[in-house]
Amino acid sequence: GNSVTQMEGPVTLSEEAFLTINCTYTATGYPSLFWYVQYPGEGLQLLLKATKADDKGSNKGFEATYRKETTSFHLEKGSVQVSDSAVYFCALSDQRQGAQKLVFGQGTRLTINP
Amino acid sequence: EPEVTQTPSHQVTQMGQEVILRCVPISNHLYFYWYRQILGQKVEFLVSFYNNEISEKSEIFDDQFSVERPDGSNFTLKIRSTKLEDSAMYFCASSELEETEAFFGQGTRLTVV
Repeated sequence: GNSVTQMEGPVTLSEEAFLTINCTYTATGYPSLFWYVQYPGEGLQLLLKATKADDKGSNKGFEATYRKETTSFHLEKGSVQVSDSAVYFCALSDQRQGAQKLVFGQGTRLTINP
Repeated sequence: EPEVTQTPSHQVTQMGQEVILRCVPISNHLYFYWYRQILGQKVEFLVSFYNNEISEKSEIFDDQFSVERPDGSNFTLKIRSTKLEDSAMYFCASSELEETEAFFGQGTRLTVV
């Protein structure tokens, strides 16, 4: 079945550091890929997405490129801020299976220190 | 900005009791979902709901679980006889169309004692 694996957390960085959170997936078919973020006390928010191979999703300085050859969708940001502290979830959906059903990774807690 | 709202934010219930988790999806959305996250584990899909019926459910969603849209605004998840292992964060989500972004609520933390 479909699955998503994220790098283990927690991740702690200093402000302005470069961020990479690794995500790899296993899927049949052609899934869409997502990064969701959960800020403290809030729900899951879509951060970015990519729907086909070589697509790059970007938002708020974050980027991720859909790499079919390596089955990866790593999240990157060139210079993190304290406000980026949150839990980040990689996810996929294969809508050929019907109604949108997201398969999530385990989440990576990111803490940015000033 | 429209949002999905869930109530309560935290519920404590005794094992064997029935519990109803409530969600108000975004008003023009047609697809509704429940997910759960047991502490320290992945967020897992439970069920999707469209046109007043379940469109897909996971193996977790057994006979103890049911969903309902009792009126034009609420979407509920009922657990008939709670077990300790039902303790988790439950997320409701909705999307306008099947292929569009799912918006999530802030979650209800259910603790079964």
